[in-house]
Amino acid sequence: GESVGLHLPTLSVQEGDNSIINCAYSNSASDYFIWYKQESGKGPQFIIDIRSNMDKRQGQRVTVLLNKTVKHLSLQIAATQPGDSAVYFCAENGGAAGGSYIPTFGRGTSLIVHP
Amino acid sequence: ETGVTQSPTHLIKTRGQQVTLRCSSQSGHNTVSWYQQALGQGPQFIFQYYREEENGRGNFPPRFSGLQFPNYSSELNVNALELDDSALYLCASSRDSPETQYFGPGTRLLVL
Repeated sequence: GESVGLHLPTLSVQEGDNSIINCAYSNSASDYFIWYKQESGKGPQFIIDIRSNMDKRQGQRVTVLLNKTVKHLSLQIAATQPGDSAVYFCAENGGAAGGSYIPTFGRGTSLIVHP
Repeated sequence: ETGVTQSPTHLIKTRGQQVTLRCSSQSGHNTVSWYQQALGQGPQFIFQYYREEENGRGNFPPRFSGLQFPNYSSELNVNALELDDSALYLCASSRDSPETQYFGPGTRLLVL
């Protein structure tokens, strides 16, 4: 079946470095993608989204890149801080019948930031 | 904080029992989605309610059912609990467009 997966389950970086979290998706019909951050004991928190008609979108310290040719999504975090330590999920909207938003989440990447 | 609240925070049940989880959506939000998150996994979509009607369902059996009330709060009911139902259950609310969802902290369910 269709799935969203992540290349690395854990990413360790030094404070101040840039972080790159990758995500592969397999549903070519997906038209909308979201990155979430989930801290321990909390629900996922929206970080940034991108639609399939774009290949790059920037937020505050974060950038999402979308490569539809190879079905790859990445999240770049600039000047990573200890507060960025969390599990990061990518999610895609496969586009259900009737236009409902049915998101499919990947397994997640744990980002560990060392001071 | 997102303004989405869930109750209870933790719950222990035994196999075969039934459970009801509750979610209060953020003020002004009319769409609620429920997710199951097993340990070490991403959230899996259960179903979504829009203005009190089910508006999409994931690959979960009928013993997972829900309700949305006129004030847009919601319940998730699970009958005949199984050990594999042990997970964190997340509720997310949004206004009209479910793409911009705000998640609650979840209810952690343990089935023994």
